[in-house]
Amino acid sequence: SQQGEEDPQALSIQEGENATMNCSYKTSINNLQWYRQNSGRGLVHLILIRSNEREKHSGRLRVTLDTSKKSSSLLITASRAADTASYFCATEAMEYGNKLVFGAGTILRVKS
Amino acid sequence: GAGVSQSPSNKVTEKGKDVELRCDPISGHTALYWYRQSLGQGLEFLIYFQGNSAPDKSGLPSDRFSAERTGGSVSTLTIQRTQQEDSAVYLCASEDRARETQYFGPGTRLLVL
Repeated sequence: SQQGEEDPQALSIQEGENATMNCSYKTSINNLQWYRQNSGRGLVHLILIRSNEREKHSGRLRVTLDTSKKSSSLLITASRAADTASYFCATEAMEYGNKLVFGAGTILRVKS
Repeated sequence: GAGVSQSPSNKVTEKGKDVELRCDPISGHTALYWYRQSLGQGLEFLIYFQGNSAPDKSGLPSDRFSAERTGGSVSTLTIQRTQQEDSAVYLCASEDRARETQYFGPGTRLLVL
């Protein structure tokens, strides 16, 4: 299995609902990041959380990190149709040469 | 300011031909990554350049793949004797080490017929 694995693989919700995506990883990390990708093109950085942090907020995004469970969650509140995209977690870990390792992503569809 | 740019945007080639993909990173970013993404899949790490250090080539799938970074800036990913399974989107990213954030280019969509 991969260093970072997202769950669920796909998520479909109604506009206005909250969306929660989870990421699990295997090794100790320096930080964990979430990225968004529209239409199979370039990824856009959303938020970074360090290993000594437990929660971070950015606008409608809330990220939590539980290093004891080696997991993170991304919550998007009050979702909009424009939030439809793929969301990837990426971990930076010494075991992987301090380079970012991406998971397979969660496909989020927000229906209007 | 200018972001990461990649060229060409799309490339169609015949099996067996060589292709070169180019990445222009953000000025001043010392780290540069190449990834491959097949349709509907996650990112597959290919190679990582960091300053003047030897590149991390651990993700290159075969010896047909190579990459170089000239003058610590522009990078070229070369695929020799392309195969149909090389068809994918090739993404480049440069990294602001201070912010630990990667900035991605729009990708090159490669189709090998």
